[in-house]
Amino acid sequence: KQEVTQIPAALSVPEGENLVLNCSFTDSAIYNLQWFRQDPGKGLTSLLLIQSSQREQTSGRLNASLDKSSGRSTLYIAASQPGDSATYLCAFMNRDDKIIFGKGTRLHILP
Amino acid sequence: ETGVTQSPTHLIKTRGQQVTLRCSSQSGHNTVSWYQQALGQGPQFIFQYYREEENGRGNFPPRFSGLQFPNYSSELNVNALELDDSALYLCASSEPGLYNEQFFGPGTRLTVL
Repeated sequence: KQEVTQIPAALSVPEGENLVLNCSFTDSAIYNLQWFRQDPGKGLTSLLLIQSSQREQTSGRLNASLDKSSGRSTLYIAASQPGDSATYLCAFMNRDDKIIFGKGTRLHILP
Repeated sequence: ETGVTQSPTHLIKTRGQQVTLRCSSQSGHNTVSWYQQALGQGPQFIFQYYREEENGRGNFPPRFSGLQFPNYSSELNVNALELDDSALYLCASSEPGLYNEQFFGPGTRLTVL
């Protein structure tokens, strides 16, 4: 069964800290991996997409890495801000074009 | 560029009723996927439509059905609603030539009483 695990399930950190969110997946034959942000009761906002041939992607204060051999991805957030508070979801697309999501990490940045 | 839109925003139904949810894909995208997200869970893949044909289905019963129209907008139909169908229903559009990056709509919150 294809699964995505996100650790930790919840995280609270003071404003200004750098932090890392972890994602592990069971299928090394992924097509791509995507990180999303979700505010309470809202839809998903795409943050970064990493193709299977890539190792990392960067956008502003965000950096996502991909290690297919170990089945891991990390999302690094630099200089966290209260506006970063949200749930962060990791998902991979398999070779059958199905997307498998983790349950997310609820992030709370303390002012 | 127009993003993904969904209607209605919220919906309340009773057990046994039928519901239709609608999604307009992002301009230029020919693929639409539907997801069910229960409270505190990640989205679960329901099915995907590509150029008006179903192109993959998750572990959902046949009472979950869909359509895609020539303009690539889509409908999700759920018959014989059950209490456990209460969830946020998300639609995402993508373009296979653009690495299949998924762009999501705001979702429809369905409550079944």
